[in-house]
Amino acid sequence: GAVVSQHPSRVICKSGTSVKIECRSLDFQATTMFWYRQFPKQSLMLMATSNEGSKATYEQGVEKDKFLINHASLTLSTLTVTSAHPEDSSFYICSARGERSYNEQFFGPGTRLTVL
Amino acid sequence: AQSVTQPDIHITVSEGASLELRCNYSYGATPYLFWYVQSPGQGLQLLLKYFSGDTLVQGIKGFEAEFKRSQSSFNLRKPSVHWSDAAEYFCAGTTSGTYKYIFGTGTRLKVLA
Repeated sequence: GAVVSQHPSRVICKSGTSVKIECRSLDFQATTMFWYRQFPKQSLMLMATSNEGSKATYEQGVEKDKFLINHASLTLSTLTVTSAHPEDSSFYICSARGERSYNEQFFGPGTRLTVL
Repeated sequence: AQSVTQPDIHITVSEGASLELRCNYSYGATPYLFWYVQSPGQGLQLLLKYFSGDTLVQGIKGFEAEFKRSQSSFNLRKPSVHWSDAAEYFCAGTTSGTYKYIFGTGTRLKVLA
């Protein structure tokens, strides 16, 4: 149980285009979802926290207009990187927790974004 | 301030040797603590977690960790390392109600044949 999927696993796009990454909880209802960014050989950096039906809460220094997060249902959250640039290239990981998860997050497999 | 610290950036051990990866935490209340492993280009895999109760926690792949309140530590151990254990290891913590994880900076494990 507690499986989280991400789609796509890899995406390559041209500079200036927008990219959407989906995060789904497959076997539980995710009341809270988290989006992380990981640069090569570095730790995970929390970008934002989203609760179903509410606006996402962004961490300090994260541009909310650049990284649009939607948590429209209890099983789906999306991260849209708008007008992507090469510096947005990174590994993006989502996680989710449900009402019965207590304090544990379940992580997706990640999405590798490369902006040319 | 709350923090999770992994003092060792890199560790190299020989295959078959024992392993201990260090993790120190700073929280006002008793934290919930986790160890994850990440292979290159992959997501995180949960090795083990500590919520409460027995301070010695058993995980997958032969790993264990011990929660020591007096030392604010949650070190990961394995009695005999296999070449396939080479990866990045992350310690993470959270507290009740916040749900946010604080990750350590990670320890990269290299295993010599």
